[in-house]
Amino acid sequence: SQELEQSPQSLIVQEGKNLTINCTSSKTLYGLYWYKQKYGEGLIFLMMLQKGGEEKSHEKITAKLDEKKQQSSLHITASQPSHAGIYLCGADINYGGSQGNLIFGKGTKLSVKP
Amino acid sequence: NAGVTQTPKFQVLKTGQSMTLQCAQDMNHEYMSWYRQDPGMGLRLIHYSVGAGITDQGEVPNGYNVSRSTTEDFPLRLLSAAPSQTSVYFCASSYRGVGAEAFFGQGTRLTVV
Repeated sequence: SQELEQSPQSLIVQEGKNLTINCTSSKTLYGLYWYKQKYGEGLIFLMMLQKGGEEKSHEKITAKLDEKKQQSSLHITASQPSHAGIYLCGADINYGGSQGNLIFGKGTKLSVKP
Repeated sequence: NAGVTQTPKFQVLKTGQSMTLQCAQDMNHEYMSWYRQDPGMGLRLIHYSVGAGITDQGEVPNGYNVSRSTTEDFPLRLLSAAPSQTSVYFCASSYRGVGAEAFFGQGTRLTVV
């Protein structure tokens, strides 16, 4: 079965610093999704990557999917306290590209110190 | 816009009791799913549905039942609650199709004592 490994498990950064979170799959990814979860709340969709080499950005967050489609990275530039939360990567288990049924990594807990 | 609504938000059950977690969406989404989130384990898929009348098992289906009689509703039933089912449960829905965004409910925090 497919597994997603996220690293690091937790991260504490000073406000203004850049950071990167990684998500590695045991199998080829047909759709990779990044979500953010604030403590005690539901998940918020950030972005979705499908093609090898694809890169997407939203505000100060950039996500990439490598050419072999087995690893994705999420990069935050000039981190702010509002970036704090748990970041999760997810992949479609039926390889159909939809988000109907996903497997998830265990998440990366990000804290940003002011 | 209601989006995905889960009820209740909090619940305490005694071992052996049964209950139903409710999930409703008003976006006419074909796909609906249930996940549980446990510390250090991330989210794990329990059951999912690709349309009314169609359900399938995810990673951790044991101890749970689902049905999908309407597009809007996807209840999750705990048949005989066990302490191992203490968790936060999330319901999600999405359109069918590549890249369709999944919308998550706010979660139900369940404690089984």
